[in-house]
Amino acid sequence: AQKITQTQPGMFVQEKEAVTLDCTYDTSDPSYGLFWYKQPSSGEMIFLIYQGSYDQQNATEGRYSLNFQKARKSANLVISASQLGDSAMYFCAMRAMPGYSTLTFGKGTMLLVSP
Amino acid sequence: DTGVSQDPRHKITKRGQNVTFRCDPISEHNRLYWYRQTLGQGPEFLTYFQNEAQLEKSRLLSDRFSAERPKGSFSTLEIQRTEQGDSAMYLCASSLQTGNTGELFFGEGSRLTVL
Repeated sequence: AQKITQTQPGMFVQEKEAVTLDCTYDTSDPSYGLFWYKQPSSGEMIFLIYQGSYDQQNATEGRYSLNFQKARKSANLVISASQLGDSAMYFCAMRAMPGYSTLTFGKGTMLLVSP
Repeated sequence: DTGVSQDPRHKITKRGQNVTFRCDPISEHNRLYWYRQTLGQGPEFLTYFQNEAQLEKSRLLSDRFSAERPKGSFSTLEIQRTEQGDSAMYLCASSLQTGNTGELFFGEGSRLTVL
């Protein structure tokens, strides 16, 4: 079984600052993928970034980077230069790879960016 | 719009009534997923299809729930004899079977309120 833990119910950050959203996971699968999704108030889940368990380098996508520490089973999302539009729920998720299984999500972290 | 679309976006019903949600995935995606999301929680997997075949069902999918994908294109999720506990956002997602990350593309969801 897979489990995702997001311990921060809410985070506050000022515009233009960086913020780290925590995610730890547990799995017995030898190969897996880690995902971060953003869910604004409209409800749609927006894919942000992916990290494979065997990837040597941490994933980056624009202002998003994933701080992957395999030994600690953590996959924290770092958002640099926060913008007001980053205010949303953020979900960490994982699946066994190759992609034959479904995504397991954490409970999410609400991020509020203030001017 | 070539994204995942869901209909209706909002549904209010009385306890005991049946409701049906429709999902149109991205056209070239052969996998389709249904998730349920309650307030303050991450999405929980319900079921998924590969083409027209329903390959996996969660134990959350009670006998009152049924999902179909008759021609491997759109899908319907029906809830019979609705209960107040069924109130949630029902999210549909689609993906390619193969792909670099196997990321899921989500629709904006169908919010169900059972009175």
